[in-house]
Amino acid sequence: NAGVMQNPRHLVRRRGQEARLRCSPMKGHSHVYWYRQLPEEGLKFMVYLQKENIIDESGMPKERFSAEFPKEGPSILRIQQVVRGDSAAYFCASSPVSDRDAEAFFGQGTRLTVV
Amino acid sequence: AQSVTQPDIHITVSEGASLELRCNYSYGATPYLFWYVQSPGQGLQLLLKYFSGDTLVQGIKGFEAEFKRSQSSFNLRKPSVHWSDAAEYFCAVKGNEKLTFGTGTRLTIIP
Repeated sequence: NAGVMQNPRHLVRRRGQEARLRCSPMKGHSHVYWYRQLPEEGLKFMVYLQKENIIDESGMPKERFSAEFPKEGPSILRIQQVVRGDSAAYFCASSPVSDRDAEAFFGQGTRLTVV
Repeated sequence: AQSVTQPDIHITVSEGASLELRCNYSYGATPYLFWYVQSPGQGLQLLLKYFSGDTLVQGIKGFEAEFKRSQSSFNLRKPSVHWSDAAEYFCAVKGNEKLTFGTGTRLTIIP
């Protein structure tokens, strides 16, 4: 059973371009979480999704950022018109259920660099 | 609102010495608490978790943590560190659905 797969591992974008980050949860997991880690900081919650539904997007910036988790395929975090401040590591985690005691398994992250 | 404070940004210990990483949380109800470790360029790996019951929990790699409700703390300990323990350590609290992380403690091991 493969772990949470994120790709690409590294992504370089010029200012103004779009960045698409993909996350394939573990098999059987229907809950996905996205976190952002800025240099020298902890992980900040961005969004929580179930299949075809956004459950909690309280951590998402109001503009340029969107996320989806379609019925088929990976979850996508999309950043439009990237700026230098978007440079960070973006981590995805998945769990089989939303119970509080359910462990979240993390991917290795996508490191976005905006030049 | 839930929050986690890790007061130590960076800790250096000698190989073989004991270790304690501090974590204080804020949460209105019974907290679900976690410790994760992150090696450079990697994702997060769960070390241990506390939900209820025995306040001293054992984890992987020889780590343990003690939940102290009166102090709102969940400190991570290891009796004897190894060079491979050098990493970033994150404490987290889980509310209804999402994890809230502290800012992390970077652990350096010296020979």
